[in-house]
Parts: sequence; C-alpha cells; structure tokens
Amino acid sequence: SQTIHQWPATLVQPVGSPLSLECTVEGTSNPNLYWYRQAAGRGLQLLFYSVGIGQISSEVPQNLSASRPQDRQFILSSKKLLLSDSGFYLCAWSRDRTDTQYFGPGTRLTVL
Amino acid sequence: ELKVEQNPLFLSMQEGKNYTIYCNYSTTSDRLYWYRQDPGKSLESLFVLLSNGAVKQEGRLMASLDTKARLSTLHITAAVHDLSATYFCAVGPGTASKLTFGTGTRLQVTL
Repeated sequence: SQTIHQWPATLVQPVGSPLSLECTVEGTSNPNLYWYRQAAGRGLQLLFYSVGIGQISSEVPQNLSASRPQDRQFILSSKKLLLSDSGFYLCAWSRDRTDTQYFGPGTRLTVL
Repeated sequence: ELKVEQNPLFLSMQEGKNYTIYCNYSTTSDRLYWYRQDPGKSLESLFVLLSNGAVKQEGRLMASLDTKARLSTLHITAAVHDLSATYFCAVGPGTASKLTFGTGTRLQVTL
C-alpha cells in the first residue's frame, strides 16, 4: 500500500529564516506530487505540482520554491520566510491527473 | 478562473437529522472530489465523482454530481456526532492535475 510522509510535523521559525519541508511517498512509482497551503480556518491553496523528476509547475508567485530531486521526494523551500508564510502545509500525491489526491499528515509552520 | 463555492459555510445540526451541503463551480469540469478534515488534521478522501449523474454512498454520506448544473451535493442522513468535521469539495477541470478547493463547510453535530 502507498504511504505519504511529511516532516517536520511542526515548525516555528523567525521571519527571514530559510525553510525546507520534505515530503516522500512510498509504494508507488512516478506519482504526481503537490504542495498546498491552508491558512488558519481557510481552504486549500495549490502552491506547486510536479508530474515527474525536475518538473515543477508553480501556481502562486511568492517567495517559495519547490524541487523534486527524486521520483518520490518533493521539497518545499524558502530563502527568507515572511509572516504571511505561516500556515498548514500539505503534500499530496496521485497516480495521474484524474486519480484522487491523497494527502500527507501536514506540517504546521508558524513564522514569528 | 475556476471558482468553487460551498454552502453553507457552517452547519450545526442535531443528531438524527438530515441535511445537504452544496458545492457549485463556475466552469465545466470532468471530476469532483469530496474530502473530510478533522480539526488540526490532514484531509481524508471521501468520494470521487467522474461523470454526470454519478452517485456514491458510504455509510451516512451520499455524494452526487450534476455536471450540467455544475453542482455537487453531499447528503448526510441521520447525522451522528462522529460526522463533525469540515467538508471540502474540489474540482479538477481540463489538463494537468490541478484541483481547486471550495471554502469548506464546517459541520457540527450536536447531541
């Protein structure tokens, strides 16, 4: 069966510090991978998605970036965090574009 | 730009009652998903609807899709406290794998 992992689970960072969140998927090959952000009490905003190694599509221009160095690894980064980057970051995977997206446990980021 | 609206945004209902959550979307789509989110937790997949007239049921929840009306409904039958959560619909039109999520409906089932 497939499993999706995210870490860390919780992170508190000062404004201006760098960020690296990691997501890995087990039990499948060549998944589509996604990064979403959910602000407190709000819906989900798609940040990035990837259909293969090194292929990243950005949905929202901002100070975040994503990379996919391996088939089942997706990384979300920032060089300098802003207060507005606080939120619940969710990674998801799907087999293809019509398949259900399955979400990881999430990382709760607080920028102070 | 695709817009997805849910209503109501908040729903408080008594155990044993029936109710429906509505999900409207603004452009043609060939797939619609329903998810559940418990407080502080991630999203759990409930249903995927891929064609006009599709109906899926799991326990006390039933989802349907009307692509002509651009409307999906999530019907709750004889609500129980365990159904308290936030429910999201998500729509995925066209190419690639992008989903646009609705604003969510927070359901509170009271005893």
